[in-house]
Amino acid sequence: NAGVTQTPKFQVLKTGQSMTLQCAQDMNHEYMSWYRQDPGMGLRLIHYSVGAGITDQGEVPNGYNVSRSTTEDFPLRLLSAAPSQTSVYFCASSYSSGELAAGELFFGEGSRLTVL
Amino acid sequence: DAKTTQPPSMDCAEGRAANLPCNHSTISGNEYVYWYRQIHSQGPQYIIHGLKNNETNEMASLIITEDRKSSTLILPHATLRDTAVYYCIVRLYPGKLIFGQGTTLQVKP
Repeated sequence: NAGVTQTPKFQVLKTGQSMTLQCAQDMNHEYMSWYRQDPGMGLRLIHYSVGAGITDQGEVPNGYNVSRSTTEDFPLRLLSAAPSQTSVYFCASSYSSGELAAGELFFGEGSRLTVL
Repeated sequence: DAKTTQPPSMDCAEGRAANLPCNHSTISGNEYVYWYRQIHSQGPQYIIHGLKNNETNEMASLIITEDRKSSTLILPHATLRDTAVYYCIVRLYPGKLIFGQGTTLQVKP
């Protein structure tokens, strides 16, 4: 049981390049989400998914795309990287048994992205 | 989602109880109170959550007032390893959690 796995752990991009941050969980969780954390700041929600085929925007979705073709995977795509997207990205997942589900959110170790 | 208010920072002596307050005066009846913490740049770690009743687990206790407008996270015997940023979050769904600035707890020897 690996939990939430994020790859890569570190990445350096040039402005305008595209890339995908991978997130996979092996806990059969319905909820998955992506956060970014800038230095000295709290986490901000980018996108989230309540199940395969369903995604929605969070607080700061601009510049990012997501898809959820399987329960296990929730990749985050940067279409044209900008220096403002330099941040630490966290993927998180949670089990849900319905609308009023309550339970812990499991986080990955983070992906540190630098855009030059 | 209900907004939460936490003090930006707190100190606690090692071995003493750390009591971290959180105000959530606009909480609705079905919203849960969650607590997470983040040590350095690691991913946030779940601590505890509750709806109405007080809750306790191996890490901490959560005290929720009867009107549910505020809560307190209690770390009974703080250690240096408990130094972290603590987030109080109110939300209906566990997945769409919105993190604020949190409280930076500094445990001192």
